[in-house]
This record gives sequence, C-alpha cells and structure tokens, in this order.
Amino acid sequence: DAKTTQPPSMDCAEGRAANLPCNHSTISGNEYVYWYRQIHSQGPQYIIHGLKNNETNEMASLIITEDRKSSTLILPHATLRDTAVYYCIVSNPTGTASKLTFGTGTRLQVTL
Amino acid sequence: DTEVTQTPKHLVMGMTNKKSLKCEQHMGHRAMYWYKQKAKKPPELMFVYSYEKLSINESVPSRFSPECPNSSLLNLHLHALQPEDSALYLCASSQDGGGRFGGYTFGSGTRLTVV
Repeated sequence: DAKTTQPPSMDCAEGRAANLPCNHSTISGNEYVYWYRQIHSQGPQYIIHGLKNNETNEMASLIITEDRKSSTLILPHATLRDTAVYYCIVSNPTGTASKLTFGTGTRLQVTL
Repeated sequence: DTEVTQTPKHLVMGMTNKKSLKCEQHMGHRAMYWYKQKAKKPPELMFVYSYEKLSINESVPSRFSPECPNSSLLNLHLHALQPEDSALYLCASSQDGGGRFGGYTFGSGTRLTVV
C-alpha cells in the first residue's frame, strides 16, 4: 500500500472549515483514499473514501487532485467535537489480503 | 445493528494467565480484523480474517492466537503475555475484503494491562 504524508498537527477555530491535506504521491491506479478519525480513547471512525472523483457525505467532503497524488479532507463547519487525530490511508480494497495501514495522522485541535 | 461490540472493555491479567478478547458484529460483514494500539501511536494491524479464514498474520507472536468461530464472531486468545503487550486492542469489520463499498467499522476496544 502507498504511504501517506500528513502534517502532525493543525488548529481550527470553531465554526470555520477545517482543511486537512494528505500527500500520497506513490498511489497506484486501484488504490482508494480513505479518511478515518480517532477521538481520544475511542476506536477509529470511518469518515469518507474515494477513488478519483470528489466525494461528499454528511460528515465531510473529500477533494482528490486530478493526478491523485494528494487529497484534502474538508470539515465544513468544525465543532469542538471534531477534535481528534485524522488518518489518511490509501489501500487497494480488493481481494482477501487487503488491509488498512495507519500512518501517524494529523492531530486537529478545534478551539473556541 | 451497525456496531462492532468488544468485550471486555478493560482487562488486567498476569503474565501466566490465559484470557480471551471477544468481538461481535451483526452487519453481515465477511472480513474482520484485530489491531493493537499503544499509547500515542497509530493502530497496528495484527490479523485479518476473510470469510472466516485467516488471510493475514502480520508476524504476530504466537502468544496471541486468533479464532473466528463464525462470520459474526472473532476472538483473540492471550497466553503468557508480557507487560509490553499492554495496549488498546481494537476489532474491526468490513463489508467485503477491504471496504470497497464503505469503510471499516471499529469497536471501542479492549484496554489490556499485563502485570
């Protein structure tokens, strides 16, 4: 699976958009981009995933560049409850040997 | 039911004890996973079961023994653990082999302390 690079930490004011970047320059054609977050002492929570096109759900939007070498997770109106570690993961989901390998993630601190 | 349930939530065991962690899901997911997470570190994959068969073992020591009795249940048997095995053990499941149609669903974990 391709490796990802994320900034170790970011701050965001409550109510503003949080834009979390991720570089995955070695991503291959059949690998998806997944985003998870982990609030302190809880299990990771799935947020969103995509292959090529931009994706949006009730939690967030995922913007993938045309060359697929980077992506951005957007939380449109961050709240204090969005404070967490955010993980960007690339993985090929096919076959019985697929797996999610977590990197070090971005610690997002949302402040008043 | 859209949850992965892990029991117990907390476990303290001695180095000579034998204990088991349990994970259960009723979402019809056919892939299940064990992860280990040390404090302030990302989760590390231990085992993957696909259609009740072990498909990935990430070179985990034999003192950790996984078992998948049926498609809804995943166990992790523990024996002769060391204090450095103290960690949060997370179970996850996905709809197919890798979550192509959605993400993995994680349980809240079992916090294990080995004394």
